[in-house]
Amino acid sequence: GAGVSQSPRYKVAKRGQDVALRCDPISGHVSLFWYQQALGQGPEFLTYFQNEAQLDKSGLPSDRFFAERPEGSVSTLKIQRTQQEDSAVYLCASSTTSGRARTDTQYFGPGTRLTVL
Amino acid sequence: GDSVTQMEGPVTLSEEAFLTINCTYTATGYPSLFWYVQYPGEGLQLLLKATKADDKGSNKGFEATYRKETTSFHLEKGSVQVSDSAVYFCALSDGYGGATNKLIFGTGTLLAVQP
Repeated sequence: GAGVSQSPRYKVAKRGQDVALRCDPISGHVSLFWYQQALGQGPEFLTYFQNEAQLDKSGLPSDRFFAERPEGSVSTLKIQRTQQEDSAVYLCASSTTSGRARTDTQYFGPGTRLTVL
Repeated sequence: GDSVTQMEGPVTLSEEAFLTINCTYTATGYPSLFWYVQYPGEGLQLLLKATKADDKGSNKGFEATYRKETTSFHLEKGSVQVSDSAVYFCALSDGYGGATNKLIFGTGTLLAVQP
């Protein structure tokens, strides 16, 4: 079946602009995660949804970052008033179960590369 | 807090050489351990995983053994191919005490295999 998809694949924004990044998880997957990957680094956790509920947003770097998953499927990560330090690849991942089982496999999308000028 | 440390790259090998990429971890609870691979222009893909001590994960000729005594999960392959050229990430998920099962990644190791 289809994997996790993300759009756009590339986004260039001027400093101060707002951006919205979309994630379509694998159909039926309960858990959805967002990660941020800076150049040359491993991905870092941003936030987690179980269905439509945002259960963990401890990784969001500032209140300019906001995520939602209103119907428990598609998710949007929004960044307001973008700054140059927001430039990174934003990865979305989904998994079948509740996200509380440490054995779960997370399936990743291709990512959105955000460049803030 | 939990963390993963993996050997820095790039690692450059000739085809059919033996590969080892070291990975060690620090965790509060009893984590699951993963190796993910990122081929050029593609997203992260799970390569293998192990969920408890002494488990061996294997896939596509790669293998890694969960060593609790040394807190390690080294990736090995007996004979690499040019097509194995990619970035390899070691990761753990802990979820200790009911915490979110987020993945904690190492910084990645670039493997370049030359024909």
